Amino acid sequence: DSGVTQTPKHLITATGQRVTLRCSPRSGDLSVYWYQQSLDQGLQFLIQYYNGEERAKGNILERFSAQQFPDLHSELNLSSLELGDSALYFCASSSQGEGRMRNTEAFFGQGTRLTVV
Amino acid sequence: AQKVTQAQTEISVVEKEDVTLDCVYETRDTTYYLFWYKQPPSGELVFLIRRNSFDEQNEISGRYSWNFQKSTSSFNFTITASQVVDSAVYFCALSVYNAGNMLTFGGGTRLMVKP
Repeated sequence: DSGVTQTPKHLITATGQRVTLRCSPRSGDLSVYWYQQSLDQGLQFLIQYYNGEERAKGNILERFSAQQFPDLHSELNLSSLELGDSALYFCASSSQGEGRMRNTEAFFGQGTRLTVV
Repeated sequence: AQKVTQAQTEISVVEKEDVTLDCVYETRDTTYYLFWYKQPPSGELVFLIRRNSFDEQNEISGRYSWNFQKSTSSFNFTITASQVVDSAVYFCALSVYNAGNMLTFGGGTRLMVKP
């Protein structure tokens, strides 16, 4: 158990709909990351939050948005869903290192499998 | 930009064989971090190891060992005496010092260990 909790585990929805994925990071971790895993794109970084602020952005579509709340949990909102958005969405969290040890390992949740029909 | 290549998409071995999973990376940054993750059939991503670019020594953990070669930009992973429970997809990943802590993943290697 990584300590990162994602809900729901599975989600089936129709095209054009909007969904929200939720993530609770490991206790004490200030950084939260969202990744998308699909057959054609592999594992891709979407966005990072650190203590409520957006820290880095990857290949995240404009239809997607995220936020991190004061209690450090995070939500990923996916709107105007398309068939191609079907994927496994992972949340990860990490602690903050210092100096050259700043980059620390990320611990991943079990993922939310989104199916758009 | 960073890039991670795992040329072996699928490897099949018989239990107790040794197996090496290859990982080649590209980055212009001089300070970077390499990782291996395991994704078993249940789907979660499990952290295995982190290697800093400024650490020279290789590492062994039980049946697992990692060989970091800066000269060839490789970070290979060897499983000794493989077991059926090692069957999974293994991902190599890279992050760099000045670009946050986001990971660039390789395409993964599916390891099948047959009894």
